[in-house]
Amino acid sequence: EPEVTQTPSHQVTQMGQEVILRCVPISNHLYFYWYRQILGQKVEFLVSFYNNEISEKSEIFDDQFSVERPDGSNFTLKIRSTKLEDSAMYFCASSKISSEREAFFGQGTRLTVV
Amino acid sequence: TQLLEQSPQFLSIQEGENLTVYCNSSSVFSSLQWYRQEPGEGPVLLVTVVTGGEVKKLKRLTFQFGDARKDSSLHITAAQPGDTGLYLCAAYENTGFQKLVFGTGTRLLVSP
Repeated sequence: EPEVTQTPSHQVTQMGQEVILRCVPISNHLYFYWYRQILGQKVEFLVSFYNNEISEKSEIFDDQFSVERPDGSNFTLKIRSTKLEDSAMYFCASSKISSEREAFFGQGTRLTVV
Repeated sequence: TQLLEQSPQFLSIQEGENLTVYCNSSSVFSSLQWYRQEPGEGPVLLVTVVTGGEVKKLKRLTFQFGDARKDSSLHITAAQPGDTGLYLCAAYENTGFQKLVFGTGTRLLVSP
């Protein structure tokens, strides 16, 4: 069964460093998303991406964040200068064009900023 | 931002009991999705409900979408320890399928 895959599963980085989280969405999906979940808290929307551009972003998604689809299969989230409060699980999701627009999530990347 | 309130927040029951989890909002949704999330993993889609009043069954899980499409419920019959997890409802904001927002979640623990 097709699935969204994310790498790495766990990333530890020093404060101020740049990190890139990678995702391979389901192949026939056209909408891509990043979410984050701070430990014990809600799953929060960060950004959605369609047709090679951001379609919506939250207030969390500030200038330190960027997304890219560098080729036909990968979808990346870059955090330019990580802060301690960026520590969270980051989930990538994808969906196809359908009336329900069901979103399927990856297993997540646990980002720890020290 | 539309708010999806789930209740209860926590539920601890014995194996074999029945339970119902609620997802409420003041907003109308074109569809609503239920997910289950286990610790350290991503949300796994269980079901999507689309039509007001719709009822969908997934083995021992019964999902209902409110007539006005503002609320939904998840009923589990004869809960098993394997049902333990965080249950999340989610819906797109009305702005057109770009932003899926999640509810506050119900954490379920089923003890043997």
